Amino acid sequence: AQSVTQLDSQVPVFEEAPVELRCNYSSSVSVYLFWYVQYPNQGLQLLLKYLSGSTLVKSINGFEAEFNKSQTSFHLRKPSVHISDTAEYFCAVSDASGGATNKLIFGTGTLLAVQP
Amino acid sequence: DAGVTQSPTHLIKTRGQQVTLRCSPISGHKSVSWYQQVLGQGPQFIFQYYEKEERGRGNFPDRFSARQFPNYSSELNVNALLLGDSALYLCASSRWGGRGTEAFFGQGTRLTVV
Repeated sequence: AQSVTQLDSQVPVFEEAPVELRCNYSSSVSVYLFWYVQYPNQGLQLLLKYLSGSTLVKSINGFEAEFNKSQTSFHLRKPSVHISDTAEYFCAVSDASGGATNKLIFGTGTLLAVQP
Repeated sequence: DAGVTQSPTHLIKTRGQQVTLRCSPISGHKSVSWYQQVLGQGPQFIFQYYEKEERGRGNFPDRFSARQFPNYSSELNVNALLLGDSALYLCASSRWGGRGTEAFFGQGTRLTVV
């Protein structure tokens, strides 16, 4: 079984400041890792994912995350945030060891609150 | 192309009633999954269907059931509603639903049980 821990329920930050949203996971098998973003009253949008290869993955809007297997982490970072980045961010894992499902296990989410 | 569409967007039901939620996947996608998102928490997996067959089931009571139709759309049914069933119900579609395939989410159905 897998689990995801997002220790920070809310992260306040000023516009143009850097931010890091933390994600740790637990799993007895290999996993794929994802970050989803949820804007108010909307569904989830995939921000970025790690399946294999380079441990540093990047999104088109300036976010990046690094898979650290030894620390079982997949922290999300952005060097300079905008007001429009205000949203709920969810880290998720899925089983990469086999099977025919892309079932996602989500963390409890982190609200990124960007202030002017 | 249209994304994942869910209906209705909002719904209010009374305890003990039954509800049916609907989902139309992205064209060409054959797998549909359902998630429950209680306020303040992350989504929790309920079901996955692929080619009309159940491929996975989460830790939910038998009051929850689902099915997938030949056109790959899906319905989620919840019987004997409880106050705790109040949540945002999300549908996600993917091309074939196997490991690593990207899941695309709809905007959800907000269910309120009173």
